Amino acid sequence: DGGITQSPKYLFRKEGQNVTLSCEQNLNHDAMYWYRQDPGQGLRLIYYSQIVNDFQKGDIAEGYSVSREKKESFPLTVTSAQKNPTAFYLCASSMLLSGRGRAGELFFGEGSRLTVL
Amino acid sequence: AQTVTQSQPEMSVQEAETVTLSCTYDTSESDYYLFWYKQPPSRQMILVIRQEAYKQQNATENRFSVNFQKAAKSFSLKISDSQLGDAAMYFCAYRSATGASGSRLTFGEGTQLTVNP
Repeated sequence: DGGITQSPKYLFRKEGQNVTLSCEQNLNHDAMYWYRQDPGQGLRLIYYSQIVNDFQKGDIAEGYSVSREKKESFPLTVTSAQKNPTAFYLCASSMLLSGRGRAGELFFGEGSRLTVL
Repeated sequence: AQTVTQSQPEMSVQEAETVTLSCTYDTSESDYYLFWYKQPPSRQMILVIRQEAYKQQNATENRFSVNFQKAAKSFSLKISDSQLGDAAMYFCAYRSATGASGSRLTFGEGTQLTVNP
């Protein structure tokens, strides 16, 4: 089945450690995204990528890094510089928009829950 | 930058009744997409309904319909014949159809819907 796979589902990190969240898609989508969700809040964009080897900062990129070496993969690294990393992280992908009639929605993975001890 | 506002943090409805969730957005663009996503306790984001701004006709999907008022920048979701499985957090989202910003989705803060038996 086509879809988006995030791993791990749950992750615990000690203060000062970097951790990497994996996101893989087999939908042949060009664009991929990382969102952060805090309890009772909406989704905030961390980074997104429209093409391999290129990505843009979202609204809360500080303390995070990404890479896009393959179309299918968009890993997110939460660095020790991220002051409050405990959150739920969602990866998504979509087709690039070109002309009217394209649906434009994002498809989401099941998320990764990161807890800092 | 575009913003999306959901003014109702929580709503409740009796089973089989109808409920309307509100969403307003701010944009200077004329071509864009609007979405409602549902996030049940599993936290998987599920697309409920989409609306293209260039279409005047309101979108419908079974028991879900929208009231899209482009001039007022309003995009409300109506759920008819509410079911227990409709209980979830609902997010309104905006996506530009043009330019580099056309790749990202901007979310509202969400409305937590409770369905009472």
